[in-house]
Amino acid sequence: DQQVKQNSPSLSVQEGRISILNCDYTNSMFDYFLWYKKYPAEGPTFLISISSIKDKNEDGRFTVFLNKSAKHLSLHIVPSQPGDSAVYFCAVGGSEKLVFGKGTKLTVNP
Amino acid sequence: NAGVTQTPKFQVLKTGQSMTLQCAQDMNHEYMSWYRQDPGMGLRLIHYSVGAGITDQGEVPNGYNVSRSTTEDFPLRLLSAAPSQTSVYFCASSYFRGYIGNEQFFGPGTRLTVL
Repeated sequence: DQQVKQNSPSLSVQEGRISILNCDYTNSMFDYFLWYKKYPAEGPTFLISISSIKDKNEDGRFTVFLNKSAKHLSLHIVPSQPGDSAVYFCAVGGSEKLVFGKGTKLTVNP
Repeated sequence: NAGVTQTPKFQVLKTGQSMTLQCAQDMNHEYMSWYRQDPGMGLRLIHYSVGAGITDQGEVPNGYNVSRSTTEDFPLRLLSAAPSQTSVYFCASSYFRGYIGNEQFFGPGTRLTVL
């Protein structure tokens, strides 16, 4: 049973518009929530995180929202740029392990 | 800082062969881990270590062994390769303060094919 679900395998947006990537998790004991970005033939790179005591964290064009009651987090990218085209993984964690979603492939069209 | 390095970048094995994937980090991170990425499956944790001499199993440990004799190195051993182990393998490291909430730094990956 999947503990972390990214239900959209792909997303396509126009340059300058908002990209919204979603992630749902099942275990309410998770404390930390992260987003990673991955380009082809490279390792994932950390993008932004949020702890369970917050509901929003912002870093430049990237904002992560956490809704603990719904067990849902989302990543907003505003404005989207063609260089943002990549696969985005959400990851949730407790003390010693991170569980990753299957990823959403974002394509930003010029 | 080289960060997290992995060798080799590519490897082809025959069924039943053994090999070791190497991983090293120069950031003095306590926590190191191995993931595999398969199409449509995301990243799945194989084994992890919270410090030298300490290892534990992740989600998909069968067919793999690890050891952590130094802080810097965390090799992954395939004892008898099977076609189901064809995958891209990523090593990662991070600080560990009793929990892993901090960002992990990933290596560039090893693409393994088992025939």
